[in-house]
Amino acid sequence: DIQLTQSPSFLSASVGDRVTITCRASQGISSYLAWYQQKPGKAPKLLIYAASTLQSGVPSRFSGSGSGTEFTLTISSLQPEDFATYYCQQLNSYRTWTFGQGTKVEIK
Amino acid sequence: QVQLVQSGSELKKPGASVKVSCKASGYTFTSYAMNWVRQAPGQGLEWMGWINTNTGNPTYAQGFTGRFVFSLDTSVSTAYLQISSLKAEDTAVYYCARGEDVLLWFSSLLWGQGTMVTVSS
Repeated sequence: DIQLTQSPSFLSASVGDRVTITCRASQGISSYLAWYQQKPGKAPKLLIYAASTLQSGVPSRFSGSGSGTEFTLTISSLQPEDFATYYCQQLNSYRTWTFGQGTKVEIK
Repeated sequence: QVQLVQSGSELKKPGASVKVSCKASGYTFTSYAMNWVRQAPGQGLEWMGWINTNTGNPTYAQGFTGRFVFSLDTSVSTAYLQISSLKAEDTAVYYCARGEDVLLWFSSLLWGQGTMVTVSS
């Protein structure tokens, strides 16, 4: 089974900071990767799919990159509403999923 | 309005069973797969598996075979998750999540609000 490892698990940042989260896959997954944002008590929200395609309605300060085994989610200028936990997700045409362990972004 | 609405919180004793429902509205239920995701308190997301809403064929992730059953009632556009022989470690929020098609690379745009299942004596 494919494993996803996110780093860091926790980060403390200030409003306006540029933030980068990494997701590494245990084997190549092409661009079959999505990113979600989850706030406390809420369901996850899709931000990016196909590694770098921004879901409609998601602010352009979010961006994704990578392919194969290494992927990044970047928030170009952190806003107060961005403090949340972020998950990467491996996808495939067999419809099986795997999630990374999550990265919690907190206010410095 | 396109949405998934899940049943309410449950408090169960160890050894009991629970059935969580996920009612879809605003779209053709059988046009999309349905996934189930578990989130234990303070923990990350764990994919439990999915069910083909056309055929009713379920696929279970490792660790979710035996006590976990996915089912459907397409007449009311509802998916179900049943967990039997409940254990304390089943305490979690359970989400249903629509499986998108190839255009969204099989990700999930639509999630239920979550159902908290607490297992305690």
